[in-house]
Amino acid sequence: EVQVLESGGGLVQPGRSLRLSCTVSGSSFADSALSWVRQAPGKGLEWIAFIRKEVYGGTPHYAASVEGRFSLSRDDSKGIAYLQMSSLKTEDTAVYYCTRVNGGLFDLWGQGTLVTVSS
Amino acid sequence: QPALTQPASVSGSPGQSLTIPCTGTSADVGIYNYVSWYRQDPGKAPQIFMYDVDKRPSGVSNRFSGSKSGNTASLTVSGLQTEDEGDYYCCSYAGSGTWVFGGGTTLTVL
Repeated sequence: EVQVLESGGGLVQPGRSLRLSCTVSGSSFADSALSWVRQAPGKGLEWIAFIRKEVYGGTPHYAASVEGRFSLSRDDSKGIAYLQMSSLKTEDTAVYYCTRVNGGLFDLWGQGTLVTVSS
Repeated sequence: QPALTQPASVSGSPGQSLTIPCTGTSADVGIYNYVSWYRQDPGKAPQIFMYDVDKRPSGVSNRFSGSKSGNTASLTVSGLQTEDEGDYYCCSYAGSGTWVFGGGTTLTVL
């Protein structure tokens, strides 16, 4: 069974940084394009970042709300994608989901990791 | 503010048909057939429910169908059942490696 797993969430103060990780088990990580989608408490889903397969350059793309503060990278040798989040704001508080991207859809979702930005 | 517009809630009686509209723009829904729908049950991660406008993943009832006209996509359920209750989100590819979501619709069976 193919699974997506996130880790790294927690409580962080405004202005600080946090790094989330995402792995894919049961399938080739290198063959997986990945995205991060977040959900603030009681709110809807928000797409925030996407990274192409390395064979297509591994190029990251970001939503305007996180551009310049978040950085998505991948290390296919370790089978891990990293979402580096900097200059965190209280409005970044959310459950962060890593998803596998298949064509134009998010076909597999992790269970989510909670990030709380608070002093 | 979500980029795609969905009603916050829809409701119907068992056996009825319901449609959830999802309105975007000519830069997303109107130009790409990468419209997908996700269902989220309370406390759970979302799951793919419909993709490429009208394709159902295995396990999704054929009572559900997807369509698109212009800048508006729709998810229709016929023969409403209590198990259909949940939150439904539409999503569209918006070009250059970006996606946009709707605000979500809570479907309630009366």
